[in-house]
Amino acid sequence: ETGVTQSPTHLIKTRGQQVTLRCSSQSGHNTVSWYQQALGQGPQFIFQYYREEENGRGNFPPRFSGLQFPNYSSELNVNALELDDSALYLCASSSPGWGTEAFFGQGTRLTVV
Amino acid sequence: RKEVEQDPGPFNVPEGATVAFNCTYSNSASQSFFWYRQDCRKEPKLLMSVYSSGNEDGRFTAQLNRASQYISLLIRDSKLSDSATYLCVVANNAGNMLTFGGGTRLMVKP
Repeated sequence: ETGVTQSPTHLIKTRGQQVTLRCSSQSGHNTVSWYQQALGQGPQFIFQYYREEENGRGNFPPRFSGLQFPNYSSELNVNALELDDSALYLCASSSPGWGTEAFFGQGTRLTVV
Repeated sequence: RKEVEQDPGPFNVPEGATVAFNCTYSNSASQSFFWYRQDCRKEPKLLMSVYSSGNEDGRFTAQLNRASQYISLLIRDSKLSDSATYLCVVANNAGNMLTFGGGTRLMVKP
């Protein structure tokens, strides 16, 4: 158990809808990153939050947005869902510092129909 | 060209075999390198960091060749429990983003 929890574990949405995924980081970690993992591929970096500010973003459109709260938990919001958004969404928390280990939650499996 | 490239496999090996995975990365400014393990339908977990001097953890040995931008993982005396997908991971020079390869699937058979 990494101490990183994500909710919900599974979700089915219709194309065009909006979704919010949640992540609680491990105690002592103030950095949260979100990744999208399509079936059969490696995770792809969406963005990172550090002390409630976005601290880096991957190649994802603006309809992917996020928040980090004072307790360092985080949300990933996706608007105008597309079929290709179907994937496992992983949250990773880490402590500050360069090259520190990222601990992943179990993920939220999103299916867009 | 992908930033981190791996042979997807699968590698099918018998118990006790030695197996090696390779990975290449495109950003010469990358500073941190890792191997993660991911079991089916589970989250990735850190297996080991990779250092220029090479490092060993039990049956696992990781090597980094910065000149060739190449990372390797060697698993000796394979166990059934080693069956998983092994992800090669490179951190950017700001240290705030991990770039994953597509993963190499290993299946160890009795």
